[in-house]
Amino acid sequence: QVHLVESGGGVVQPGRSLRLSCAASGFTFSSYAMHWVRQAPGKGLEWVSIIWSDGSNEHYVDSVKGRFTISRDNSKSTLYLQMNSLRTEDTALYYCAKGADYGGNSDLDYWGQGTLVTVSS
Amino acid sequence: DIQMTQSPSSLSASVGDRVTITCRASQSISSYLNWYQHKPGKSPKVLIFVASELQSGVPSRFSGSGSGTDFTLTISSLQPEDFATYYCQQSLTTPYTFGQGTKLEIK
Repeated sequence: QVHLVESGGGVVQPGRSLRLSCAASGFTFSSYAMHWVRQAPGKGLEWVSIIWSDGSNEHYVDSVKGRFTISRDNSKSTLYLQMNSLRTEDTALYYCAKGADYGGNSDLDYWGQGTLVTVSS
Repeated sequence: DIQMTQSPSSLSASVGDRVTITCRASQSISSYLNWYQHKPGKSPKVLIFVASELQSGVPSRFSGSGSGTDFTLTISSLQPEDFATYYCQQSLTTPYTFGQGTKLEIK
């Protein structure tokens, strides 16, 4: 049974940093791409980032490029999102999601419950 | 970036109704189109992938069609548990953009 558990959210001031984690279980983590998707309060889903199964490729939405870094530790079955220079518009519920393939071009077939990030002074 | 536009943004329907939601891409995405269901307080769930393939465990009343730029999600006979927000997403090129969502409410 696939299980994704996010952690690391919280309240942070603008300009500060936060690192999210996503602990995965129930599947061969090293064989699948992983994604971060966020949902701002009252808004729709926004895709944020992807990392290939072996970590060889990563992509970001323009609004976080240069500020956020996705990474993974396949030995620990854990996905990360390092968020620097946070802005108020980064306030959202952050979901990690499993890709259905080793790279891009696939759906997100399992999702965690999300971790809330609030950027406020 | 590829823009995804859903219509309608909201929809009121009754149990047993047939419902269709459309999604249009700003450029051709072949069949790289996925549909998700999202209920309040829950995590999103994939219903349809590559435009028309039903995810395992999803009821057969859900179906998807289309290719290129125009896609549809159809629910053949609405059930009480289907009232939720539905999103399309393109997975052709990053950023893998979502539509703005369609909120399906009980009439």
